[in-house]
Amino acid sequence: DVKVTQSSRYLVKRTGEKVFLECVQDMDHENMFWYRQDPGLGLRLIYFSYDVKMKEKGDIPEGYSVSREKKERFSLILESASTNQTSMYLCASSSTVPSNQPQHFGDGTRLSIL
Amino acid sequence: GDSVTQMEGPVTLSEEAFLTINCTYTATGYPSLFWYVQYPGEGLQLLLKATKADDKGSNKGFEATYRKETTSFHLEKGSVQVSDSAVYFCAFTNSGGSNYKLTFGKGTLLTVNP
Repeated sequence: DVKVTQSSRYLVKRTGEKVFLECVQDMDHENMFWYRQDPGLGLRLIYFSYDVKMKEKGDIPEGYSVSREKKERFSLILESASTNQTSMYLCASSSTVPSNQPQHFGDGTRLSIL
Repeated sequence: GDSVTQMEGPVTLSEEAFLTINCTYTATGYPSLFWYVQYPGEGLQLLLKATKADDKGSNKGFEATYRKETTSFHLEKGSVQVSDSAVYFCAFTNSGGSNYKLTFGKGTLLTVNP
């Protein structure tokens, strides 16, 4: 089974802090994704990466950056955390071949910014 | 553009009742269709999938058939259990565009009472 591991289940940080959320997958997947999930808004794509050192903006990239130095690891960075970034963050990975593969998700990180 | 419309919840049923959650999609190309389930406090799990027209995906008693003519992928279960209480998301990837991105519906909360 595919395993996507997010480093923290719960995280509390202060406004203005730099926050790192880490995600590791063990299936050699090319694609990795970061979403945030908010009540009434569903899942929204922040950033994704289709290869090492490659990244593309999703639907809501403002206030976030990402890093993919190794194939198995995809980090989400909040450069200066704000209260409106309090949310559930979900990481996912998928294979490119064959095409149209499902994404596999981690358990999520519930982040609170105080 | 690409989109998913799924039945708004919440849906409340008694144990052993029949479940239908409607899902329709708008996509260019040849999408693969998925249902994901999210149990309380957890990430998303792939429930079932269908990759071409008339395919039926099934898992844990849930079924959904890929209907290209009606662009639908409705989720059904003949007899729900309390343990099926969760949020259900309909989604697709689209070979006509970026075939590794998922388009999600907003989710449907299902509560099953004993």
